[in-house]
Amino acid sequence: KQEVTQIPAALSVPEGENLVLNCSFTDSAIYNLQWFRQDPGKGLTSLLLIQSSQREQTSGRLNASLDKSSGRSTLYIAASQPGDSATYLCAVPDSSYKLIFGSGTRLLVRP
Amino acid sequence: DGGITQSPKYLFRKEGQNVTLSCEQNLNHDAMYWYRQDPGQGLRLIYYSQIVNDFQKGDIAEGYSVSREKKESFPLTVTSAQKNPTAFYLCASSIAGTETYEQYFGPGTRLTVT
Repeated sequence: KQEVTQIPAALSVPEGENLVLNCSFTDSAIYNLQWFRQDPGKGLTSLLLIQSSQREQTSGRLNASLDKSSGRSTLYIAASQPGDSATYLCAVPDSSYKLIFGSGTRLLVRP
Repeated sequence: DGGITQSPKYLFRKEGQNVTLSCEQNLNHDAMYWYRQDPGQGLRLIYYSQIVNDFQKGDIAEGYSVSREKKESFPLTVTSAQKNPTAFYLCASSIAGTETYEQYFGPGTRLTVT
C-alpha cells in the first residue's frame, strides 16, 4: 500500500531564504506526483504536477523534482516571501487514480 | 469562470441529524472525489466517482453516502451514523482515466456537529 511522508512537519525561515520541502513515497510505480498549497481554512491549490517520465517542473520561484527510483520528490522555493506561508502537501495517485496525500509541511516565512 | 464550488462554507448541525454538502463543477471532468481533513491527519478519501451513476467507497466511507446523477454534481450526505463528523470537507475533480491528470479542489465546507 502506497504511503506518502513529508518532512519536516513544520518549517520557519526568514524572508529571502531558499528552502526545500521533502516528500517521499514507498511505491515507486507512480503515474505522477502533485504538489499543493493550502492556506488556513481554504481549499487546495495545485502548484505543480510532475509526470512519471519527467525529472522536474518549474513555475516561477517554484521547482519540483522527482526521483522515482529513490521514491523522493522535493519542492524548492527560491527567495521565500511572507506570502509563501502556508501548508504544502504532496500527493501521488494510486492504481485507481485516487490521490494519496502526505500530512504536509507547515511553512512560515518571517518578515 | 471554470471551477469547483462547494456550499455552504460553514455548516452547523445538531448530533443525530443528517446533513448534505454540495459540490458542483463546470470543468467537464468525469471524476469527482470527496475528502475529509482533520488537524494533523492530512486528507482522507471518503468516496469517489469516475462516471455518472457510479461511485466507489474510499478509505473512510462509513457514515457517509453520495450520489452522482449528473456529471457536474456530487453531493455528500453525512449521516447520523458517522461518529465524528466535525471536520473540513473538500471536494475535487479530475479528468478520469488518464496518466496526465491533475486534481482540482473546491474551497471546502467546514462542518461542526454539536
